[in-house]
Amino acid sequence: QSVLTQPPSVSAAPGQKVTISCSGSSSNIGNNHVSWYQQFPGTAPKLLIYENNKRPSGIPDRFSGSKSGTSATLGITGLQTGDEADYYCGMWDSSLSVGVFGGGTKLTVL
Amino acid sequence: EVQLVESGGGLVQPGGSLRLSCSASGFTFSSYAIHWVRQAPGKGLEYVSVISSNGVLTYYTDSVRGRFTISRDNSKSTLFLQMTSLRADDTAVYYCVAYSSGWRYWGQGTLVTVSS
Repeated sequence: QSVLTQPPSVSAAPGQKVTISCSGSSSNIGNNHVSWYQQFPGTAPKLLIYENNKRPSGIPDRFSGSKSGTSATLGITGLQTGDEADYYCGMWDSSLSVGVFGGGTKLTVL
Repeated sequence: EVQLVESGGGLVQPGGSLRLSCSASGFTFSSYAIHWVRQAPGKGLEYVSVISSNGVLTYYTDSVRGRFTISRDNSKSTLFLQMTSLRADDTAVYYCVAYSSGWRYWGQGTLVTVSS
């Protein structure tokens, strides 16, 4: 059971928009920055969003992040078949000095 | 180009030990806290441990505390994870990850299989 809760799967058609939620509590998400990761089968995860809503260099602006209260959201617009992957939220819990991840969400682009 | 290359994984019997290494290049290794994150086959990401940039501070997730030891050699840009008393549920791909406002640079991972 992950500390951060994500839906197991989401799906949408090419060109559409999808959102993936990450739910926590006031002690974790409420007090820390959230980051998001994309992982294709057999490969290492890749940082998509850091500090709730910032994109590393090279990440297209189709990917966005937001945080409100005890929840965070990853948004992907203009969906492409190449976006099919697993997506994880994560955060460094500074009060517990431990990292935590959500259980992951499998995105299917129909 | 930033590179993190893990090694040392393999098959080990329950109760055995293994030492993982992670060799870094392309960035200032000594300026980054480095983490170990693992992923059991078909499962999600699980946090394991972190060591501060100067090696003074270390933290572990509850399930490995007392069995795993993280260390680093900044002169060789290398990270280590000494794993003892291994259990079947330690079976996973182990990633070393450099942290900078998020788990930013990932290695390709090394597979540890604990089985008799």
